[in-house]
Amino acid sequence: AQTVTQSQPEMSVQEAETVTLSCTYDTSESDYYLFWYKQPPSRQMILVIRQEAYKQQNATENRFSVNFQKAAKSFSLKISDSQLGDAAMYFCAYLYNFNKFYFGSGTKLNVKP
Amino acid sequence: EAEVAQSPRYKITEKSQAVAFWCDPISGHATLYWYRQILGQGPELLVQFQDESVVDDSQLPKDRFSAERLKGVDSTLKIQPAELGDSAMYLCASSINYGTPTGELFFGEGSRLTVL
Repeated sequence: AQTVTQSQPEMSVQEAETVTLSCTYDTSESDYYLFWYKQPPSRQMILVIRQEAYKQQNATENRFSVNFQKAAKSFSLKISDSQLGDAAMYFCAYLYNFNKFYFGSGTKLNVKP
Repeated sequence: EAEVAQSPRYKITEKSQAVAFWCDPISGHATLYWYRQILGQGPELLVQFQDESVVDDSQLPKDRFSAERLKGVDSTLKIQPAELGDSAMYLCASSINYGTPTGELFFGEGSRLTVL
């Protein structure tokens, strides 16, 4: 069975600093996708970044980057130059068979001014 | 920018009452998902539609929950009767197609249900 684990229920970072959110997953598949979604307070969840498992190169989107370790089944999100607007719940998600998503329990990120 | 619309945003009901949630996905999105998100947890899939057909409802408590997407566009999720444990955020999401690795889900703002 596919499971996604986020072991950090809550984290804090100082504005302009860098923070890394952790995610591990369990799968026997070799072809899949991994995602980080952001859920701001009282707003809809949006996609932050996506990683295809067959790509060795880590995905980056502006201040957001991932460290994808396929053998270790680890998929961490690094946020550089943290901004107040980055404060949100962050969910790691695994996509299997192109249509089945499995979400982690989330990490609440606080950004201190 | 196109968005997934959901209503109501908030619903307070007493246990044993019926409640319904509505979702209108982004135009052209064939796949529609209903998720339940309990406070402090990640979303859990309740039901997934491809056009008007259910492709996965294995986690839907069918004794009290029902979902339909009659014309393959908007969808309704119903709970009858509501129980205290149903208090949660109900999220609707859509994606362009089924079986293609586009990967991105587009979420609505959710419907927060409180059962008293």
